[in-house]
Amino acid sequence: TQLLEQSPQFLSIQEGENLTVYCNSSSVFSSLQWYRQEPGEGPVLLVTVVTGGEVKKLKRLTFQFGDARKDSSLHITAAQPGDTGLYLCAQEGTSGSRLTFGEGTQLTVNP
Amino acid sequence: GAGVSQSPSNKVTEKGKDVELRCDPISGHTALYWYRQSLGQGLEFLIYFQGNSAPDKSGLPSDRFSAERTGGSVSTLTIQRTQQEDSAVYLCASSLDRDPNQPQHFGDGTRLSIL
Repeated sequence: TQLLEQSPQFLSIQEGENLTVYCNSSSVFSSLQWYRQEPGEGPVLLVTVVTGGEVKKLKRLTFQFGDARKDSSLHITAAQPGDTGLYLCAQEGTSGSRLTFGEGTQLTVNP
Repeated sequence: GAGVSQSPSNKVTEKGKDVELRCDPISGHTALYWYRQSLGQGLEFLIYFQGNSAPDKSGLPSDRFSAERTGGSVSTLTIQRTQQEDSAVYLCASSLDRDPNQPQHFGDGTRLSIL
Protein backbone atom coordinates (compact mmCIF):
# COMPACT_ATOMS: atom_id res chain seq x y z
CA THR A 1 0.00 0.00 0.00
CA GLN A 2 1.36 3.38 -1.02
CA LEU A 3 1.96 5.65 1.94
CA LEU A 4 0.67 9.21 1.66
CA GLU A 5 2.30 11.76 3.92
CA GLN A 6 0.52 15.00 4.65
CA SER A 7 1.99 18.07 6.27
CA PRO A 8 1.53 19.90 8.44
CA GLN A 9 -0.61 17.70 10.65
CA PHE A 10 -2.14 20.73 12.41
CA LEU A 11 -2.41 24.34 11.28
CA SER A 12 -4.01 27.22 13.14
CA ILE A 13 -4.10 30.62 11.43
CA GLN A 14 -5.93 33.93 11.53
CA GLU A 15 -8.64 34.91 9.10
CA GLY A 16 -7.20 36.49 5.97
CA GLU A 17 -3.91 34.59 6.02
CA ASN A 18 -2.71 32.31 3.24
CA LEU A 19 -1.67 28.71 3.76
CA THR A 20 -0.39 25.67 1.92
CA VAL A 21 -0.74 22.01 2.83
CA TYR A 22 1.17 19.20 1.21
CA CYS A 23 0.67 15.58 0.22
CA ASN A 24 3.68 13.46 -0.72
CA SER A 25 4.49 9.92 -1.72
CA SER A 26 7.61 7.97 -2.61
CA SER A 27 5.73 6.47 -5.55
CA VAL A 28 3.97 7.96 -8.54
CA PHE A 29 0.29 8.76 -8.21
CA SER A 30 -2.06 7.71 -10.99
CA SER A 31 -4.34 10.48 -9.80
CA LEU A 32 -4.91 12.31 -6.55
CA GLN A 33 -8.02 13.50 -4.81
CA TRP A 34 -8.42 16.18 -2.15
CA TYR A 35 -11.26 16.01 0.36
CA ARG A 36 -12.47 18.24 3.16
CA GLN A 37 -14.12 16.78 6.23
CA GLU A 38 -16.02 18.76 8.86
CA PRO A 39 -16.75 17.43 12.37
CA GLY A 40 -19.50 14.84 12.43
CA GLU A 41 -19.64 14.58 8.65
CA GLY A 42 -18.10 12.45 5.96
CA PRO A 43 -15.37 13.70 3.62
CA VAL A 44 -16.48 15.75 0.63
CA LEU A 45 -14.53 15.63 -2.61
CA LEU A 46 -12.98 18.96 -3.57
CA VAL A 47 -10.97 18.08 -6.66
CA THR A 48 -9.22 15.31 -8.58
CA VAL A 49 -5.87 15.98 -10.27
CA VAL A 50 -4.63 13.62 -12.93
CA THR A 51 -1.94 15.19 -15.10
CA GLY A 52 1.57 16.04 -13.89
CA GLY A 53 1.94 19.80 -13.48
CA GLU A 54 -1.82 20.29 -13.44
CA VAL A 55 -3.24 23.27 -11.55
CA LYS A 56 -6.91 23.50 -10.63
CA LYS A 57 -8.65 26.38 -8.91
CA LEU A 58 -11.79 26.27 -6.84
CA LYS A 59 -12.59 29.81 -5.70
CA ARG A 60 -9.84 30.64 -3.15
CA LEU A 61 -8.38 27.11 -3.27
CA THR A 62 -5.59 26.23 -5.68
CA PHE A 63 -4.57 22.60 -6.16
CA GLN A 64 -1.32 21.64 -7.82
CA PHE A 65 -0.06 18.24 -8.94
CA GLY A 66 3.70 17.86 -9.10
CA ASP A 67 5.37 17.34 -12.47
CA ALA A 68 6.55 13.90 -11.40
CA ARG A 69 3.12 13.07 -9.96
CA LYS A 70 4.59 12.20 -6.57
CA ASP A 71 3.37 15.24 -4.68
CA SER A 72 0.49 17.66 -4.52
CA SER A 73 -0.32 20.86 -2.70
CA LEU A 74 -3.41 22.77 -1.68
CA HIS A 75 -3.09 26.53 -1.29
CA ILE A 76 -5.82 28.62 0.31
CA THR A 77 -5.80 32.37 -0.19
CA ALA A 78 -7.32 34.71 2.38
CA ALA A 79 -8.55 31.91 4.62
CA GLN A 80 -11.95 32.25 6.26
CA PRO A 81 -13.39 30.54 9.36
CA GLY A 82 -15.58 28.49 7.04
CA ASP A 83 -12.43 26.85 5.66
CA THR A 84 -11.88 25.14 9.01
CA GLY A 85 -11.82 21.37 8.67
CA LEU A 86 -9.73 18.28 8.05
CA TYR A 87 -8.13 18.26 4.60
CA LEU A 88 -7.36 14.80 3.26
CA CYS A 89 -5.53 13.68 0.18
CA ALA A 90 -6.33 10.27 -1.27
CA GLN A 91 -5.16 8.02 -4.03
CA GLU A 92 -6.93 5.26 -5.85
CA GLY A 93 -5.53 1.90 -4.81
CA THR A 94 -4.13 -0.73 -7.13
CA SER A 95 -7.02 -3.05 -6.26
CA GLY A 96 -10.29 -1.83 -7.64
CA SER A 97 -11.09 1.76 -6.95
CA ARG A 98 -10.69 1.83 -3.16
CA LEU A 99 -9.03 4.95 -1.82
CA THR A 100 -5.88 5.20 0.27
CA PHE A 101 -5.93 8.33 2.44
CA GLY A 102 -3.27 10.41 4.09
CA GLU A 103 -3.70 11.22 7.77
CA GLY A 104 -4.92 14.70 6.98
CA THR A 105 -4.20 18.30 7.91
CA GLN A 106 -6.45 19.75 10.58
CA LEU A 107 -6.94 23.42 9.70
CA THR A 108 -8.39 25.96 12.11
CA VAL A 109 -9.05 29.48 10.88
CA ASN A 110 -9.65 31.89 13.74
CA PRO A 111 -11.85 34.97 13.22
CA GLY B 1 -32.41 9.59 -0.58
CA ALA B 2 -30.24 12.40 -1.81
CA GLY B 3 -27.08 11.17 -0.14
CA VAL B 4 -25.50 8.19 1.58
CA SER B 5 -27.33 7.45 4.81
CA GLN B 6 -25.76 5.62 7.74
CA SER B 7 -27.35 4.40 10.95
CA PRO B 8 -27.05 4.62 13.81
CA SER B 9 -25.14 7.89 13.93
CA ASN B 10 -23.75 6.93 17.32
CA LYS B 11 -23.43 3.57 19.04
CA VAL B 12 -22.11 2.87 22.51
CA THR B 13 -21.77 -0.73 23.56
CA GLU B 14 -19.93 -2.92 26.00
CA LYS B 15 -16.86 -4.90 25.12
CA GLY B 16 -17.75 -8.35 23.86
CA LYS B 17 -21.09 -7.40 22.36
CA ASP B 18 -21.90 -7.65 18.65
CA VAL B 19 -22.81 -4.53 16.66
CA GLU B 20 -24.38 -4.02 13.27
CA LEU B 21 -23.90 -0.85 11.26
CA ARG B 22 -26.07 0.03 8.30
CA CYS B 23 -25.42 1.93 5.08
CA ASP B 24 -27.97 3.08 2.52
CA PRO B 25 -26.10 4.15 -0.61
CA ILE B 26 -27.25 6.67 -3.17
CA SER B 27 -29.93 5.10 -5.35
CA GLY B 28 -28.43 3.54 -8.47
CA HIS B 29 -24.87 3.40 -7.15
CA THR B 30 -23.47 -0.07 -7.73
CA ALA B 31 -20.18 0.36 -5.85
CA LEU B 32 -20.13 0.60 -2.06
CA TYR B 33 -17.19 1.02 0.29
CA TRP B 34 -16.63 0.79 4.03
CA TYR B 35 -13.83 2.74 5.73
CA ARG B 36 -12.79 3.20 9.35
CA GLN B 37 -11.45 6.45 10.80
CA SER B 38 -9.72 6.24 14.15
CA LEU B 39 -8.71 9.23 16.26
CA GLY B 40 -5.63 10.85 14.81
CA GLN B 41 -5.55 8.61 11.77
CA GLY B 42 -6.73 8.87 8.24
CA LEU B 43 -9.42 6.73 6.70
CA GLU B 44 -8.61 3.04 6.51
CA PHE B 45 -10.24 0.93 3.80
CA LEU B 46 -12.20 -2.08 5.03
CA ILE B 47 -14.21 -3.65 2.19
CA TYR B 48 -15.61 -2.88 -1.25
CA PHE B 49 -18.80 -4.17 -2.90
CA GLN B 50 -19.68 -4.21 -6.55
CA GLY B 51 -23.34 -5.11 -6.60
CA ASN B 52 -23.81 -7.80 -3.98
CA SER B 53 -20.34 -9.28 -4.27
CA ALA B 54 -17.24 -8.19 -2.40
CA PRO B 55 -14.20 -8.47 -4.69
CA ASP B 56 -11.96 -6.77 -2.13
CA LYS B 57 -12.20 -7.68 1.55
CA SER B 58 -8.52 -7.13 2.19
CA GLY B 59 -9.01 -4.30 4.66
CA LEU B 60 -11.08 -6.19 7.21
CA PRO B 61 -8.84 -6.23 10.31
CA SER B 62 -9.93 -9.59 11.71
CA ASP B 63 -12.44 -12.38 11.29
CA ARG B 64 -14.67 -10.60 13.81
CA PHE B 65 -15.53 -8.18 11.01
CA SER B 66 -17.93 -9.11 8.22
CA ALA B 67 -20.14 -7.28 5.79
CA GLU B 68 -22.89 -8.07 3.39
CA ARG B 69 -24.93 -6.28 0.79
CA THR B 70 -28.34 -7.36 -0.39
CA GLY B 71 -30.36 -6.32 -3.41
CA GLY B 72 -27.43 -4.29 -4.64
CA SER B 73 -28.40 -1.59 -2.19
CA VAL B 74 -28.24 -1.63 1.61
CA SER B 75 -25.09 -2.91 3.28
CA THR B 76 -24.46 -3.94 6.85
CA LEU B 77 -21.11 -4.13 8.61
CA THR B 78 -21.08 -6.51 11.57
CA ILE B 79 -18.47 -6.56 14.29
CA GLN B 80 -18.62 -9.56 16.61
CA ARG B 81 -17.22 -9.71 20.13
CA THR B 82 -16.27 -6.04 20.02
CA GLN B 83 -12.97 -4.87 21.49
CA GLN B 84 -11.99 -1.41 22.69
CA GLU B 85 -9.70 -0.96 19.71
CA ASP B 86 -12.77 -1.21 17.47
CA SER B 87 -13.82 2.26 18.68
CA ALA B 88 -13.79 4.52 15.64
CA VAL B 89 -15.98 6.28 13.11
CA TYR B 90 -17.15 3.85 10.45
CA LEU B 91 -17.78 5.57 7.12
CA CYS B 92 -19.62 4.25 4.11
CA ALA B 93 -19.27 5.59 0.58
CA SER B 94 -20.91 4.79 -2.72
CA SER B 95 -20.14 5.56 -6.33
CA LEU B 96 -21.97 5.09 -9.59
CA ASP B 97 -19.70 2.19 -10.49
CA ARG B 98 -16.15 1.03 -9.86
CA ASP B 99 -14.71 3.41 -12.45
CA PRO B 100 -12.09 5.47 -10.56
CA ASN B 101 -13.32 8.55 -12.42
CA GLN B 102 -16.59 8.24 -10.58
CA PRO B 103 -16.32 10.09 -7.25
CA GLN B 104 -17.09 8.38 -3.98
CA HIS B 105 -19.85 10.01 -1.94
CA PHE B 106 -19.54 9.55 1.80
CA GLY B 107 -22.12 9.27 4.52
CA ASP B 108 -21.69 11.02 7.86
CA GLY B 109 -20.54 7.82 9.55
CA THR B 110 -21.38 5.83 12.64
CA ARG B 111 -19.36 6.76 15.71
CA LEU B 112 -18.77 3.52 17.60
CA SER B 113 -17.61 3.57 21.20
CA ILE B 114 -16.70 0.36 23.00
CA LEU B 115 -16.71 0.64 26.78
